Amino acid sequence: AQRVTQPEKLLSVFKGAPVELKCNYSYSGSPELFWYVQYSRQRLQLLLRHISRESIKGFTADLNKGETSFHLKKPFAQEEDSAMYYCALYGGSQGNLIFGKGTKLSVKP
Amino acid sequence: NAGVTQTPKFRVLKTGQSMTLLCAQDMNHEYMYWYRQDPGMGLRLIHYSVGEGTTAKGEVPDGYNVSRLKKQNFLLGLESAAPSQTSVYFCASSVGRGSEQFFGPGTRLTVL
Repeated sequence: AQRVTQPEKLLSVFKGAPVELKCNYSYSGSPELFWYVQYSRQRLQLLLRHISRESIKGFTADLNKGETSFHLKKPFAQEEDSAMYYCALYGGSQGNLIFGKGTKLSVKP
Repeated sequence: NAGVTQTPKFRVLKTGQSMTLLCAQDMNHEYMYWYRQDPGMGLRLIHYSVGEGTTAKGEVPDGYNVSRLKKQNFLLGLESAAPSQTSVYFCASSVGRGSEQFFGPGTRLTVL
């Protein structure tokens, strides 16, 4: 079954520290993976997708098919990075986005 | 462009009451979606539509109905609200399958 697992509900780091938000997936085909972010009082928005291989707001994510992971990384966290982060897999029986349960990132000053 | 808008922003219902949530998008997107967001559960797909006049069930469709009479609108109905339907409801739209989904601001629904 297709599944997205985000093992950490809450991740707390200090400003300037590296951050890694974990995401593991289960999918039989070639996955298309995304990270969505929801800042406080704002709507959910796309942060990045693995196809584009972009770095957005200093975040990167590499697809590791061997480990079935798509971890989100940033070398130096900023307070404005505090938000809810969702990893999502495009797939499923209906070909829709399957979201993980989310990780709340808190960056302390 | 307003993007994706949702009406209302908040609503409190009593058990057994009915209501309709409206989602509108002005991006000419074919695909529209309704999700619910619950603490510790992430976003779960309720229903979706791949074009005007079409609807399909998602992961958690029970207790909800939808309609897509116009391309720009996607309605979510609760015929007989239950406390288990207390949640934040998000609408989203996309150009097509696998494309970036654009989300509305959400509707916070409480069922007493």
